[in-house]
Amino acid sequence: DTGVSQDPRHKITKRGQNVTFRCDPISEHNRLYWYRQTLGQGPEFLTYFQNEAQLEKSRLLSDRFSAERPKGSFSTLEIQRTEQGDSAMYLCASSPSGTYGYTFGSGTRLTVV
Amino acid sequence: QQQVKQSPQSLIVQKGGISIINCAYENTAFDYFPWYQQFPGKGPALLIAIRPDVSEKKEGRFTISFNKSAKQFSLHIMDSQPGDSATYFCAAREGTYKYIFGTGTRLKVLA
Repeated sequence: DTGVSQDPRHKITKRGQNVTFRCDPISEHNRLYWYRQTLGQGPEFLTYFQNEAQLEKSRLLSDRFSAERPKGSFSTLEIQRTEQGDSAMYLCASSPSGTYGYTFGSGTRLTVV
Repeated sequence: QQQVKQSPQSLIVQKGGISIINCAYENTAFDYFPWYQQFPGKGPALLIAIRPDVSEKKEGRFTISFNKSAKQFSLHIMDSQPGDSATYFCAAREGTYKYIFGTGTRLKVLA
């Protein structure tokens, strides 16, 4: 068990391009979360999966954002037609059901130029 | 609308001193209050947490004090060390899985 793994760690993209991030949760954790953290702010909730089902999606997640968790294992977060306002750290976290607190990954820092 | 307000924004403490970070919340439905520690380039790591039916919880040098009637809670770091220099976030659980985070406190402990 090596914790929550996120890839890539850093991504620089031009405005208008599509990007995809990957998260590998702790293997026995059936809950998976995506958060976004901008500079000087706390993480903000984006979406939640229980196994493969996406059970909640924040209003912060516009139509350009999509997340998947096929087979309840790893998850991907895709941003289409990136905008400069999408520049942020995208954090993935996981937890087992019935527990409090998450284990966060180290995040993917996205810079849109 | 900021549901969890955190202060101060930054804090400088001498080695061996006490660091105190405060948070306030409005939603009485919040039922779990963790503190996270984040180092540069890393994700937040759970440090210590408390439920609202407890007024204080201590783990090593870290203590949470919770005042349910005032809707406030605080993190105390005793005997602060340079290795404690990090950004600290309070959070509150909304529902069964979602957390609302404060804006963070950047702590610097001087050697």
